[in-house]
Amino acid sequence: DTGVSQNPRHKITKRGQNVTFRCDPISEHNRLYWYRQTLGQGPEFLTYFQNEAQLEKSRLLSDRFSAERPKGSFSTLEIQRTEQGDSAMYLCASSPLSGTGFQETQYFGPGTRLLVL
Amino acid sequence: GEDVEQSLFLSVREGDSSVINCTYTDSSSTYLYWYKQEPGAGLQLLTYIFSNMDMKQDQRLTVLLNKKDKHLSLRIADTQTGDSAIYFCAESIQGGSYIPTFGRGTSLIVHP
Repeated sequence: DTGVSQNPRHKITKRGQNVTFRCDPISEHNRLYWYRQTLGQGPEFLTYFQNEAQLEKSRLLSDRFSAERPKGSFSTLEIQRTEQGDSAMYLCASSPLSGTGFQETQYFGPGTRLLVL
Repeated sequence: GEDVEQSLFLSVREGDSSVINCTYTDSSSTYLYWYKQEPGAGLQLLTYIFSNMDMKQDQRLTVLLNKKDKHLSLRIADTQTGDSAIYFCAESIQGGSYIPTFGRGTSLIVHP
């Protein structure tokens, strides 16, 4: 297993266009998270899945953002009608979920850097 | 609400110890974390501590928790140039998702 992978690593788009990012978690990790990180800030939580169910969404996740994890494996994050303020690094992380509910380590991918012109 | 504060920069000489400090506001924090981020990479979990612990040591890393003052520190012994990175403090609250809230990160610069 090579860890969490994200594609593309970089994306430049024009304002108003739609973009989609993909995250492949570590195999058999139940939980998958999306974060946004802007320059000089820590990651901010966007949403997370447990298997295919989207369990929580941040208020940062506007109506233009949608995430899916249709088969409980990879996930996609789509941003519609991109705005310049969407420019950021989008990070994905995955973690296993133990039977006791004990917090397991989140493993982060390298991120997708989005630039909206 | 949750708020995590860190100083933004720290510069040390190679071989010295580094101490990165963090304060948090939520007294119900259950887990406190230190992550490392190298340029162009995702975050790597270095260590974490439960809120009922005072100290945790892992090789060159020592985490100290002062729960009364809501203060967390990370000490890196014998700092190397490879330790140059951004270090994030994070906290999570017991009850469901354990999603961490991150600070803004401290840039550690190690010079020869």
